[in-house]
Amino acid sequence: QVTLRESGPALVKPTQTLTLTCSFSGFSLNTGGMCVSWIRQPPGKALEWLALIDWSDDKYYTASLRARLTISKDTSRNQVVLTMTGMDPVDTATYFCARGRGYKDAFDIWGQGTAVTVSS
Amino acid sequence: SYELTQPPSVSVAPGQTARITCGGDRIGRKSVFWYQQKPGQAPLLVIYNDKDRPSGIPERFSGSYSDNTATLTITGVEVGDEADYYCHVWDTSSDGVFGGGTRVTVL
Repeated sequence: QVTLRESGPALVKPTQTLTLTCSFSGFSLNTGGMCVSWIRQPPGKALEWLALIDWSDDKYYTASLRARLTISKDTSRNQVVLTMTGMDPVDTATYFCARGRGYKDAFDIWGQGTAVTVSS
Repeated sequence: SYELTQPPSVSVAPGQTARITCGGDRIGRKSVFWYQQKPGQAPLLVIYNDKDRPSGIPERFSGSYSDNTATLTITGVEVGDEADYYCHVWDTSSDGVFGGGTRVTVL
């Protein structure tokens, strides 16, 4: 059974750096084609794709946030980490990680999401 | 940047057919994915590669494409289908792009 679970702080202050961890099981990021993406959803708004890392350690970022995002993986621990610098109240959202079975494929399994509020 | 356009809402009576559209420039050249999201839950993949259903998704969910518009059709809508639905493609610039979402209300 494939599962993903997001973890990280529920509250961060403006200008701080957010670090989120996606812990997964049931698949390996050493397997050819496998990817993990981060997607966020502000309260009452639409989904927004943020970043993707694939099995070969290639990384892709949404253009609008590329300067603030870093995605990395630890295959031995089955984890993917997203850092976002310069947090602002507009970054308040639920952050999801999701698996893709190929680059530019669907997100077939999602974590339950972790809510992050940016406030002083 | 690439944009996907969805109607904000669709209302349908139980047993009827709901059609949710997703428009984008040359969308026919891309694979379209559809997700269902119920309140407080993570999205669930219901259609991939334009028209294929993942295991466990009922046959009443189907996907199609015509005239620069992708469509998710729910035939014989049930009360449990009430949710937000999002389309998703990958842009040529490697960005993932979601539509604005469509709220399906079952009257």
